[in-house]
Amino acid sequence: EPEVTQTPSHQVTQMGQEVILRCVPISNHLYFYWYRQILGQKVEFLVSFYNNEISEKSEIFDDQFSVERPDGSNFTLKIRSTKLEDSAMYFCASSETRTNNEQFFGPGTRLTVL
Amino acid sequence: GNSVTQMEGPVTLSEEAFLTINCTYTATGYPSLFWYVQYPGEGLQLLLKATKADDKGSNKGFEATYRKETTSFHLEKGSVQVSDSAVYFCALSQNYNQGGKLIFGQGTELSVKP
Repeated sequence: EPEVTQTPSHQVTQMGQEVILRCVPISNHLYFYWYRQILGQKVEFLVSFYNNEISEKSEIFDDQFSVERPDGSNFTLKIRSTKLEDSAMYFCASSETRTNNEQFFGPGTRLTVL
Repeated sequence: GNSVTQMEGPVTLSEEAFLTINCTYTATGYPSLFWYVQYPGEGLQLLLKATKADDKGSNKGFEATYRKETTSFHLEKGSVQVSDSAVYFCALSQNYNQGGKLIFGQGTELSVKP
C-alpha cells in the first residue's frame, strides 16, 4: 500500500541553524501539507501546497519557514534559523484530489533544537 | 475561529469494554468532521469521517455521528481490543472539497488492558 515517508525520523540541531525536513508524498497525490505537534499540544496546521505554490499558511508559518517541491517527488520544509520553540514533531501529509481530500500522513520527524 | 475540543486522556479500559471519546467543535457553516488514529511510532491514519449533519462515519467497529445541534462528533466502540490502544484525534475541515486544512483536537490516549 502506498505511504507517505519522511526523513529523518529524528533531527537534532543547534539554535540558529537551518534544517530541512524531507517528505515523499504518495506518487499520484497533488495536495501537500505540513503540520506540527509540540509535545503535549495539539497537531497544528502549518502550510498547504498545490500546483507548485502555497495554497494556505498559518500564522506559525512565518518568514523563517519555506516549502519546496524540488524534483516532483520530494516535498521539503525548511526552517532557516531554528529557535528553541521550533522543537516539535513535524508531519507531512498528502491527498489525491480536491474531491477526495483524505489526507495521508507520514510517521513524522522529531525536531529537537538545543 | 474554528476549534476542536476532546476529552482529556489517558483513557484506560479493559478488553471488551465500551468506549466513548467525546469531541465537540466550534465552526461556522458546515465543516467536515474526522477521527484520526495514531498507533505508536506511526503517522496519523484516517479512521472515519462524516461530511454533513446526521451522517454516521464507521470503520473497524468504531462509529461517530455528526450532531450539528450539539456540535459534537463523539467516537464510540462497543467492545475494545488491546490492539485499539493508540492516540485518537478528532478534527474538522472547513473546505474539505477544496484541499482544506485539518484542525485537530489535542488527542486522547487510549490504553486497553487484557
